[in-house]
Amino acid sequence: ETGVTQTPRHLVMGMTNKKSLKCEQHLGHNAMYWYKQSAKKPLELMFVYNFKEQTENNSVPSRFSPECPNSSHLFLHLHTLQPEDSALYLCASSQDLKGRQDGYTFGSGTRLTVV
Amino acid sequence: LAKTTQPISMDSYEGQEVNITCSHNNIATNDYITWYQQFPSQGPRFIIQGYKTKVTNEVASLFIPADRKSSTLSLPRVSLSDTAVYYCLVGPSGSARQLTFGSGTQLTVLP
Repeated sequence: ETGVTQTPRHLVMGMTNKKSLKCEQHLGHNAMYWYKQSAKKPLELMFVYNFKEQTENNSVPSRFSPECPNSSHLFLHLHTLQPEDSALYLCASSQDLKGRQDGYTFGSGTRLTVV
Repeated sequence: LAKTTQPISMDSYEGQEVNITCSHNNIATNDYITWYQQFPSQGPRFIIQGYKTKVTNEVASLFIPADRKSSTLSLPRVSLSDTAVYYCLVGPSGSARQLTFGSGTQLTVLP
């Protein structure tokens, strides 16, 4: 347990489904991140939130919709995904955007399979 | 951000010392060197960070030569559970940036 909890751990969804990934941290951090890790590829930063405000969107398709209701919770809403969106989705948090490189805590991820 | 180069993969046997070298020729004066470890289907986990010379903790040692153009992560007496991907990151600590991961080094520990 790292202090960052992601649910569900595994998710299989059809291309017409709507689902949501949840991330929760109780570390007192103010910045939260979504990363995507496809097979055999480096982690890709998707979204950054700082004090509930989105500060970065790395050209992510609109079928991925993030939501950050408070500094402890982060969601990723999914709709009309494609099979190539199948990947491990990782949530991370840090104290703030001035975080030290050693101050990032990752969750265990959600393994998403789009069929 | 300084570009890093690591071996794609390494094999070792249980009980051996493993050294993974990372090249970062364009490292800046205020850059730190940080290593993360990632097990399959888990998020990366911080291992060690250093600026120069040698840093040691309960998990690993980090050796950084005087020119800082490379660094070596040393894992003493590895076990099967050390099989993971190891990422070398270089960048300023305490500045407004996010982690940028490369491809990392897949370490496989064999019995």
